Amino acid sequence: GQSLEQPSEVTAVEGAIVQINCTYQTSGFYGLSWYQQHDGGAPTFLSYNALDGLEETGRFSSFLSRSDSYGYLLLQELQMKDSASYFCAVYLNTGFQKLVFGTGTRLLVSP
Amino acid sequence: DGGITQSPKYLFRKEGQNVTLSCEQNLNHDAMYWYRQDPGQGLRLIYYSQIVNDFQKGDIAEGYSVSREKKESFPLTVTSAQKNPTAFYLCASSMGRYFFGSGTRLTVV
Repeated sequence: GQSLEQPSEVTAVEGAIVQINCTYQTSGFYGLSWYQQHDGGAPTFLSYNALDGLEETGRFSSFLSRSDSYGYLLLQELQMKDSASYFCAVYLNTGFQKLVFGTGTRLLVSP
Repeated sequence: DGGITQSPKYLFRKEGQNVTLSCEQNLNHDAMYWYRQDPGQGLRLIYYSQIVNDFQKGDIAEGYSVSREKKESFPLTVTSAQKNPTAFYLCASSMGRYFFGSGTRLTVV
């Protein structure tokens, strides 16, 4: 089966840096993606890593180590609006692009 | 603007009743998906379709049915056979990156 593990909740203050880890056990791994979801809203795409290393997009960066089956999302200069749930998701090469989601990490940013 | 539209936003169903959730996209994507999300949980795949007139069961298809008669549309029917249908339902389409609709919150009354 497929499994993704990430912390259930993380708290931080405005302006801080936070890292959300994701470890996965899957077959047919193709890439790792991160999505943000505000309460009651739709998940929105943040990043995608197919190769080892760091991808940076503004205040957000994502890292992948395929040999360790591990990735993380790094959020810098935290803002109140970053309070949301963050999901890691693995693309599986199963003949179509199947996306399997972790259970999500709830990030609470306080003033 | 291109995107995915789900309707209705909120839906109430009586026990034993079938209901259909609408999903329309104008992104010209071939692949479309239906996910279910329960409180505090991740998204679980119900059904997916890679092309018009073709669809496949996902991980939790029991009690659900779909159709894909047009590229733009992928409606989901929650049947009376679904024992615990109260959840947040998300439709997505993709050409690589996934794009999600704003969801339908279904409650059984």
